[in-house]
Amino acid sequence: AQSVTQLDSQVPVFEEAPVELRCNYSSSVSVYLFWYVQYPNQGLQLLLKYLSGSTLVKGINGFEAEFNKSQTSFHLRKPSVHISDTAEYFCAVRASNSGYALNFGKGTSLLVTP
Amino acid sequence: DAGVIQSPRHEVTEMGQEVTLRCKPISGHNSLFWYRQTMMRGLELLIYFNNNVPIDDSGMPEDRFSAKMPNASFSTLKIQPSEPRDSAVYFCASTLGDKQTQYFGPGTRLLVL
Repeated sequence: AQSVTQLDSQVPVFEEAPVELRCNYSSSVSVYLFWYVQYPNQGLQLLLKYLSGSTLVKGINGFEAEFNKSQTSFHLRKPSVHISDTAEYFCAVRASNSGYALNFGKGTSLLVTP
Repeated sequence: DAGVIQSPRHEVTEMGQEVTLRCKPISGHNSLFWYRQTMMRGLELLIYFNNNVPIDDSGMPEDRFSAKMPNASFSTLKIQPSEPRDSAVYFCASTLGDKQTQYFGPGTRLLVL
């Protein structure tokens, strides 16, 4: 089975500062990796995904993530955050060869302050 | 595109009552997922369907929970009888194909008193 660990439950950051949200996964097979964002009282929205190919993946709203197979990580980064980036961020994994279901991490709450 | 539609958006009920949550996936999508979100356990997959057939229901907590997908455009998640520990936000998501994005609905916030 696949699992995800999001190392930080909360990340406070000032506006216009860079941010990194950490995600590590565990799997015995090759995986697909995803980052979703959840704004208050809303459903989840896909930020970006890694399926294959280039390990640096660019997503919406200026976010990017890098797949590191040797470190089994898929950290999310943004060089300069805005107040509107305040939200809950979820890393998710699924095996590339079976099923469609995603296993989510517990989430990281990003709080951007002026 | 209307996106994934869930109803009701909010539900307050008393312990022991039957609760039915509804989901309309995006037209043309062939896989549908039910997730539950709580503070303690995060996002958990309850069940998913492919072409209206349940593929994996190992996440369904117990026999009080049941899900159906009678056709490609409608699914229900039923809890009978409901208990306070069922209080959570229930999300429905749909997708088309293997490498495609799962699109989430806005969720149903359930409170069982």
